Amino acid sequence: TQLLEQSPQFLSIQEGENLTVYCNSSSVFSSLQWYRQEPGEGPVLLVTVVTGGEVKKLKRLTFQFGDARKDSSLHITAAQPGDTGLYLCAGEDASYDKVIFGPGTSLSVIP
Amino acid sequence: NAGVTQTPKFQVLKTGQSMTLQCAQDMNHNSMYWYRQDPGMGLRLIYYSASEGTTDKGEVPNGYNVSRLNKREFSLRLESAAPSQTSVYFCASSDLLESSYNEQFFGPGTRLTVL
Repeated sequence: TQLLEQSPQFLSIQEGENLTVYCNSSSVFSSLQWYRQEPGEGPVLLVTVVTGGEVKKLKRLTFQFGDARKDSSLHITAAQPGDTGLYLCAGEDASYDKVIFGPGTSLSVIP
Repeated sequence: NAGVTQTPKFQVLKTGQSMTLQCAQDMNHNSMYWYRQDPGMGLRLIYYSASEGTTDKGEVPNGYNVSRLNKREFSLRLESAAPSQTSVYFCASSDLLESSYNEQFFGPGTRLTVL
């Protein structure tokens, strides 16, 4: 069974601080996706990483896929209150017909 | 272009009652999914439909049934609701022909409470 773990589970920081959240698995994934979910809404896709070692940037967010394609990190620079939400990583199943979600990191950015 | 829509947004049931959650997408996607989200558990796949006319069990299918009515619509039915089915239910769609990766588009969710 493929499992994804995320750490930390909860994170509360001041506006302007930097942070990194992690997504880890013992399984290799063909791709890994990051989603953000705001309270009362469905998750929204932020990025997909595909190649081992790949780095993608989305404004102040930097996503990295591990060399072995088993783990990923999300780094946020100068966090803003608008970054508050649940960050979910999801690994694409080898059969490509479904993805497996991690439990999420709940981020709160305090003004 | 509404994306993925779900009805109802909220529902309260008594133990043993039945109900159907509706989902529709207007993106012409082939694949559709039903997830439940519980605190600390992430999103767990209940059932999915890789294409019109096919359905498959996910991680937590017990107590649920699904129908892929056509390419647009995918419904989830609880035949005899139990308190353990209290959760937030999300429908999602994706299309591997449109994207090389199984990138999911989610609806706004249905918040279900079973008393």
